[in-house]
Amino acid sequence: GAGVSQTPSNKVTEKGKYVELRCDPISGHTALYWYRQSLGQGPEFLIYFQGTGAADDSGLPNDRFFAVRPEGSVSTLKIQRTERGDSAVYLCASSTGANTEAFFGQGTRLTVV
Amino acid sequence: GENVEQHPSTLSVQEGDSAVIKCTYSDSASNYFPWYKQELGKRPQLIIDIRSNVGEKKDQRIAVTLNKTAKHFSLHITETQPEDSAVYFCAASKGAQKLVFGQGTRLTINP
Repeated sequence: GAGVSQTPSNKVTEKGKYVELRCDPISGHTALYWYRQSLGQGPEFLIYFQGTGAADDSGLPNDRFFAVRPEGSVSTLKIQRTERGDSAVYLCASSTGANTEAFFGQGTRLTVV
Repeated sequence: GENVEQHPSTLSVQEGDSAVIKCTYSDSASNYFPWYKQELGKRPQLIIDIRSNVGEKKDQRIAVTLNKTAKHFSLHITETQPEDSAVYFCAASKGAQKLVFGQGTRLTINP
């Protein structure tokens, strides 16, 4: 596609529920990043994929968060037992590799009620 | 790990004047420094980037300078226009690794 696509654009879920957030990167981009952005803050790193493997998952806050990229393209961020503190905009970005522009998607606004 | 500090958090300038935003980073191995502009409710978009092998880069009204010794880099916007109003983020990374972002600067251009 023309850009990074994220679905859904908005998600409201009840505390304790499981959610999946999807990211379709730009075709051919091998690097894929997930970030979380709270209101008034900069994007906070969660996880980085190079191809199918997670090259750096040091930003995942706890074991309720998990992400996959099974075929090296689409990625899914999975959050179990959601908490109100998980409410934020989740941003996905992709790039062709090292030191190149990371293109961001529009984000998924997650609200846990 | 890398830590990026950005200031000021808010900046208000008169239309036509210049704006400067500064960032410092902690990891001397960082070698890529992009700047992103984010308008309200929209995705961050790259406006300019610089790699550690150069000290300055310009693109029309926007320039970035890098001082590797002092580990700081700055964004300069000249002849500001109302459409420059947005939140600006600096970031740093090394090689094929994560971008670490600053806290952001809310820039307001007053007509």
